[in-house]
Amino acid sequence: EPEVTQTPSHQVTQMGQEVILRCVPISNHLYFYWYRQILGQKVEFLVSFYNNEISEKSEIFDDQFSVERPDGSNFTLKIRSTKLEDSAMYFCASSVSSGIETQYFGPGTRLLVL
Amino acid sequence: GDSVTQMEGPVTLSEEAFLTINCTYTATGYPSLFWYVQYPGEGLQLLLKATKADDKGSNKGFEATYRKETTSFHLEKGSVQVSDSAVYFCALSDPGGNEKLTFGTGTRLTIIP
Repeated sequence: EPEVTQTPSHQVTQMGQEVILRCVPISNHLYFYWYRQILGQKVEFLVSFYNNEISEKSEIFDDQFSVERPDGSNFTLKIRSTKLEDSAMYFCASSVSSGIETQYFGPGTRLLVL
Repeated sequence: GDSVTQMEGPVTLSEEAFLTINCTYTATGYPSLFWYVQYPGEGLQLLLKATKADDKGSNKGFEATYRKETTSFHLEKGSVQVSDSAVYFCALSDPGGNEKLTFGTGTRLTIIP
């Protein structure tokens, strides 16, 4: 069964450093998402991406964040200058279309900012 | 805005016990409702969904009914197994043009033999 994959599974970085989280969505999916979950808190929406552009973003997704689909398979989330409060589990998801269609999630990348 | 309120955890049950995890929502339109499950070390997996009022989603012995009058989508299972131990997330998707999922806090379920 096709699945969403994410790398790395864990990342430790120093405050102020740039990190890139990588995702490979399911191959025939057209909509891509990033969510995050700070330890002990809700899973929060960050951004959705369709047709090579951001279709919606939350207030969390400020200028420090960017997303990119650099080729036909990868979908990346970049945090330009990490802060302590960026420490969280980051989930990538993809779906065939938007709305009621199921979003399929990857296993997550646990980011720790020191 | 949209929100999901989920039963606080953790929940610990004995094997073969009856399970209910409560979920209520607030939304401006008529959302689709989902239950996702996260097994240890894995990502979120869709467990079941319902897209309109009175729909019942079911999978792996779990059920949830979309109740518009009480804005609820409670998860139930008649007889839980040790393998059901996981974190369960209730979520909604507003079909009014937004694509994002809004999640509840998650409920950690532990089943003891």
